[in-house]
Amino acid sequence: GAGVSQSPSNKVTEKGKDVELRCDPISGHTALYWYRQSLGQGLEFLIYFQGNSAPDKSGLPSDRFSAERTGGSVSTLTIQRTQQEDSAVYLCASSFRDRGTYGYTFGSGTRLTVV
Amino acid sequence: AQSVTQPDIHITVSEGASLELRCNYSYGATPYLFWYVQSPGQGLQLLLKYFSGDTLVQGIKGFEAEFKRSQSSFNLRKPSVHWSDAAEYFCAVGARDSGAGSYQLTFGKGTKLSVIP
Repeated sequence: GAGVSQSPSNKVTEKGKDVELRCDPISGHTALYWYRQSLGQGLEFLIYFQGNSAPDKSGLPSDRFSAERTGGSVSTLTIQRTQQEDSAVYLCASSFRDRGTYGYTFGSGTRLTVV
Repeated sequence: AQSVTQPDIHITVSEGASLELRCNYSYGATPYLFWYVQSPGQGLQLLLKYFSGDTLVQGIKGFEAEFKRSQSSFNLRKPSVHWSDAAEYFCAVGARDSGAGSYQLTFGKGTKLSVIP
């Protein structure tokens, strides 16, 4: 597509439920990133996918968070047993080259609210 | 590890006034540097980037930034602010030639810009 697409745009869930957030990157972009943006904070790196290489999961805050990328394209970020501190905007970005020469293109994000 | 500091949480300027948003970074080598803008409810849009060469970088929407190695700074400027520039601005630093490791941007906490008509 023309841009990075994320769905849903908004998600309200009850504490303890699982949620799935979807990211559809720009066609041909081999690198895909997930960031979390909490109120008043900058962007916190979560996970990075590059082609068929093993993902860099070093930013995932707990084992309740996981992500996969199927066929080198669409990615799903899953949060299990959601907690209130998981409330944030989850941003996905993709880039043409893994070293970001062209910079990232961000999606509009998914705003997650855990009640 | 790299880090970014944006000292100003919130700045208010009058429309037509000049603007400078500060960014200081910490990185062991010459970094990649970026400025992004985020309007309410939107993702981040790239304003400009620095990789090498001329230290004064021109971006979209009339913005520019200057890389000053001696000060570890990459301040964003605009000579005349428009009301539509009201948004949040993020400075980011990226690892240069990270080799086989992963590559990601480290962001500052952002500066919110308000514009008075």
